[in-house]
Amino acid sequence: GAVVSQHPSRVICKSGTSVKIECRSLDFQATTMFWYRQFPKQSLMLMATSNEGSKATYEQGVEKDKFLINHASLTLSTLTVTSAHPEDSSFYICSGGRLPVYEQYFGPGTRLTVT
Amino acid sequence: QQQVKQSPQSLIVQKGGISIINCAYENTAFDYFPWYQQFPGKGPALLIAIRPDVSEKKEGRFTISFNKSAKQFSLHIMDSQPGDSATYFCAARGAGTALIFGKGTTLSVSS
Repeated sequence: GAVVSQHPSRVICKSGTSVKIECRSLDFQATTMFWYRQFPKQSLMLMATSNEGSKATYEQGVEKDKFLINHASLTLSTLTVTSAHPEDSSFYICSGGRLPVYEQYFGPGTRLTVT
Repeated sequence: QQQVKQSPQSLIVQKGGISIINCAYENTAFDYFPWYQQFPGKGPALLIAIRPDVSEKKEGRFTISFNKSAKQFSLHIMDSQPGDSATYFCAARGAGTALIFGKGTTLSVSS
């Protein structure tokens, strides 16, 4: 149990375009979803936390107008990278948690390459 | 206060040996300490986790040791195998907050 999927697994886009990444909890209801970014050989950095039906809370230094997060249902959250630039190229990983949100279950990640 | 410090950065262990990775934290509000295993190009997978009311938890070949007074916890991998070669992350969180990750340890188990 506790499976999280992400789609797409890999995406290449041109600079200036927008990309949407979907995160789904397949067998549980994720009251909270988290989005992380990971650069090569580095740790996971939390970008934002979202609760179903509420606006996301962004970490310091993360541009909320650039990284749009929507958590419309208990099983789906989306991250849209708007006007992507090469420096946004990274591995984006989502995770879902259940109240009281101790265990976090991670998706397989999405590799974004901006050319 | 929000940091989780992990060491070593990399570790080479012979097959059958014991791998030990250490983490330290400052925030006494943290009350959940998981370890994750990550293979290249994949998301992290929960290995084992502990709450501060116990000093040790064992699941198969994986053991977490927890020292609340020292604010330290460690992962022991017994009988390490080549298939254990991966990056390991410790993490910590308080109630209602997101996980804070250590910088990771790259483990290589030589056959």
